[in-house]
Amino acid sequence: SYVLTQPPSVSVAPGQTATITCGGSNIGSKSVHWFQQKAGQAPVLVVYDDSDRPSGIPERFSGSNSGNTATLTISRVEAGDEADYYCQVWDSSSDHWVFGDGTKLTVL
Amino acid sequence: QVQLVQSEAEVKKPGASVKVSCKASGYTFTDYNLHWVRQAPGQGLEWMGWINPHSGGTYYAQKFRGRVTMTGDTSISTAYMELSRLRSDDTAVYFCARIVVVVPETPGWFDTWGQGTLVTVSS
Repeated sequence: SYVLTQPPSVSVAPGQTATITCGGSNIGSKSVHWFQQKAGQAPVLVVYDDSDRPSGIPERFSGSNSGNTATLTISRVEAGDEADYYCQVWDSSSDHWVFGDGTKLTVL
Repeated sequence: QVQLVQSEAEVKKPGASVKVSCKASGYTFTDYNLHWVRQAPGQGLEWMGWINPHSGGTYYAQKFRGRVTMTGDTSISTAYMELSRLRSDDTAVYFCARIVVVVPETPGWFDTWGQGTLVTVSS
């Protein structure tokens, strides 16, 4: 089955840029979606189809995808961005949706 | 606005079944498939399968086949996920999520999630 690999944790100071990666075999050929999940809450879609933002999501959130790595970038990080972030793809070979294990973003 | 409201927390004994509901509002229930995702305590997200509320068609993740049943009641815009033969490792928060497909034959994305239902399996 398809595997997505994320770093367990990323730390960044307020105002800096956070970069969260999602690795997978030839992931650049797939559409990657990103979710933010704050403690005790449901996930919220922050980026879909590699780089598109749903309405209401700040422009500070952006995504890219190429080769074997997709990336979620959060610019000008705020304390309220502290959360777990999950990447997700559709694996057509198994007809299953697959999530990465998640990355905990800590704002120092 | 689009909203998915789930049923309250449940406590079940090993071997029992649980049925979680997900009531949709703010859109036409039969126009979008609904997926179910679970999250064990302190763990990541695990996809379980989906239901097409219009046709009643379902597709389950390999791991849950034989134990999970997803149904829908269009008269009350509500989807259900029933998990049987519960084990302690089924203790998790269960989420429903709506999937949006803009371009036919493409996977789409999960744009709206329910608030989650905690199912605790304990003797």
